[in-house]
Amino acid sequence: EPEVTQTPSHQVTQMGQEVILRCVPISNHLYFYWYRQILGQKVEFLVSFYNNEISEKSEIFDDQFSVERPDGSNFTLKIRSTKLEDSAMYFCASGHSYNEQFFGPGTRLTVL
Amino acid sequence: DQQVKQNSPSLSVQEGRISILNCDYTNSMFDYFLWYKKYPAEGPTFLISISSIKDKNEDGRFTVFLNKSAKHLSLHIVPSQPGDSAVYFCAARTSYDKVIFGPGTSLSVIP
Repeated sequence: EPEVTQTPSHQVTQMGQEVILRCVPISNHLYFYWYRQILGQKVEFLVSFYNNEISEKSEIFDDQFSVERPDGSNFTLKIRSTKLEDSAMYFCASGHSYNEQFFGPGTRLTVL
Repeated sequence: DQQVKQNSPSLSVQEGRISILNCDYTNSMFDYFLWYKKYPAEGPTFLISISSIKDKNEDGRFTVFLNKSAKHLSLHIVPSQPGDSAVYFCAARTSYDKVIFGPGTSLSVIP
């Protein structure tokens, strides 16, 4: 059964460094999402992406964040200058329609 | 601003019995509701959903009930199995693609 994959599973970085989190959505899906879950808190929506552009973003998704689908298979989340509070699990999701979202296993980001 | 609430952080149920997970929401503009299950170290897995025009949706052991007037939905699992032990997230859609998650309820099914 096809699944969403994410790499790396764990990323450790220094505060102020740039990180890129990678996701490979399910191949025929058209809708793509990033979520995060800070330890002990709820899953929070970051951004949705459709037709090669951002369709919606939350207040969390400020100028430090960007997303890209560079080659038709990968879907990346970039954080330009990481802060301590960016430490969280980051989940990618994809869907064939806007009524479904299949989640990847997540990337644990630790900012030191 | 908790638009989706799950007031029980944890629930324990005996194997074979019914598990009932509750969810309340505040935004009357939500048009679609979803339940996800999450095991440790994994991403949320979609379980079942319901449109706001329905009051019940059933899929095998899982049934979701929606009471729009009370802004309340519930997930029933019957019979409960030990493999159902996980965190269950209620989620609601505000627009065609943004989903807001509740804080989750940790279900333990005791053999």
